[in-house]
Amino acid sequence: EVQLLESGGGLVQPGGSLRLSCAASGFTFSSYAMSWVRQAPGKGLEWVSAISGSGGSTYYADSVKGRFTISRDNSKNTLYLQMNSLRAEDTAVYYCAKIKDPNIAAAAFDIWGQGTMVTVSS
Amino acid sequence: QSVLTQPPSVSGAPGQRVTISCTGSSSNIGAGYDVHWYQQLPGTAPKLLIYGNSNRPSGVPDRFSGSKSGTSASLAITGLQAEDEADYYCQSYDSSLSGPGVVFGGGTKLTVL
Repeated sequence: EVQLLESGGGLVQPGGSLRLSCAASGFTFSSYAMSWVRQAPGKGLEWVSAISGSGGSTYYADSVKGRFTISRDNSKNTLYLQMNSLRAEDTAVYYCAKIKDPNIAAAAFDIWGQGTMVTVSS
Repeated sequence: QSVLTQPPSVSGAPGQRVTISCTGSSSNIGAGYDVHWYQQLPGTAPKLLIYGNSNRPSGVPDRFSGSKSGTSASLAITGLQAEDEADYYCQSYDSSLSGPGVVFGGGTKLTVL
């Protein structure tokens, strides 16, 4: 069964850091680009970041550029999101998602994890 | 304010047909980028409903269909059922110089009357 399982969320103070992980199973992880998408409480979906299957190409939304870093360890079938200089507006459920096609610009997210909650508050 | 514009809410009675619009611009849908649709049931993660404008993943009923024309796209649901009550999101890619990347619509809440 294809599955994505996020972890690492929690409560952090403004200006703090957090690293999210997403463990993948049931598919050849290194063959697919992956992404992070977030959803603030009661709000819509917001794309955060994406990474190619090899890890050689990364993409970020303007709202997180310079603060968040996406990476992956294909030997561990795991996706990461390092989040620094966190702000209150980063409070959201963070989902990892598998990208269906090699072309990230045409990307549909065909598999989603259950999400992990990140709360930025003092 | 989302790059892709969806109506905040739509409603319909069981058995009826409803459509949800997704309006973009020349830097996203109008530039030829594909549109994808997701269904999010309350308290759950989004689920891919339509990809590549009009394709259904395995397991998605044929009551759901998608189309695209010009700078807009639409999701149609026929034979409305109570279990279809959910939030629906469109998604595409935007190539604008101000910040290229994946973009979502603001979401549409479907209420089955």
